[in-house]
Amino acid sequence: DAGVIQSPRHEVTEMGQEVTLRCKPISGHDYLFWYRQTMMRGLELLIYFNNNVPIDDSGMPEDRFSAKMPNASFSTLKIQPSEPRDSAVYFCASSATGEHSPLHFGNGTRLTVT
Amino acid sequence: GQQVMQIPQYQHVQEGEDFTTYCNSSTTLSNIQWYKQRPGGHPVFLIQLVKSGEVKKQKRLTFQFGEAKKNSSLHITATQTTDVGTYFCADRNAGGTSYGKLTFGQGTILTVHP
Repeated sequence: DAGVIQSPRHEVTEMGQEVTLRCKPISGHDYLFWYRQTMMRGLELLIYFNNNVPIDDSGMPEDRFSAKMPNASFSTLKIQPSEPRDSAVYFCASSATGEHSPLHFGNGTRLTVT
Repeated sequence: GQQVMQIPQYQHVQEGEDFTTYCNSSTTLSNIQWYKQRPGGHPVFLIQLVKSGEVKKQKRLTFQFGEAKKNSSLHITATQTTDVGTYFCADRNAGGTSYGKLTFGQGTILTVHP
């Protein structure tokens, strides 16, 4: 099992540019989560999906952020336009069904917006 | 998910000393999951507690779930430099419209001085 795969590992972009982060969950997992991590705010849940359907997007900061899951093996998190305060590490995680299932995290994407 | 408060935020110990981090909630938790994140890494699942008063051990790590399921603790006996990292507790929602949602505590950053 390759685990959760995220790309890119690092992204440096200028303010105002569009950023797209990608995630491939573990095969067979039907939950997918997007988290953002900063020193100030810790691990924040942005949005999560079940069976490709967004369940809770209350953590999405504002309209500049959007997430999609077109199929069971792919999800994107898009920021348009990006701002310096979006600089953070973005993690994708997946899990099997059930409240007892652990989350498996990808290696994250470190985003720097200058 | 419910809000879980985790203390302390930081803990510095000498190698060989014990370490404990605590999670507290004002409401009953569905279950508690514990994760460890090494510096520069991603959160990795350690263990889950489900039952009231449950105690689980992993080598030098002891995990407890309170009788009222409103608090949990992680205790490390005789810390080693390999224990360095951030320890998170997390509550996974077991019901309602946000079923499956996983909300993290703020984490405790552990440093171990050799």
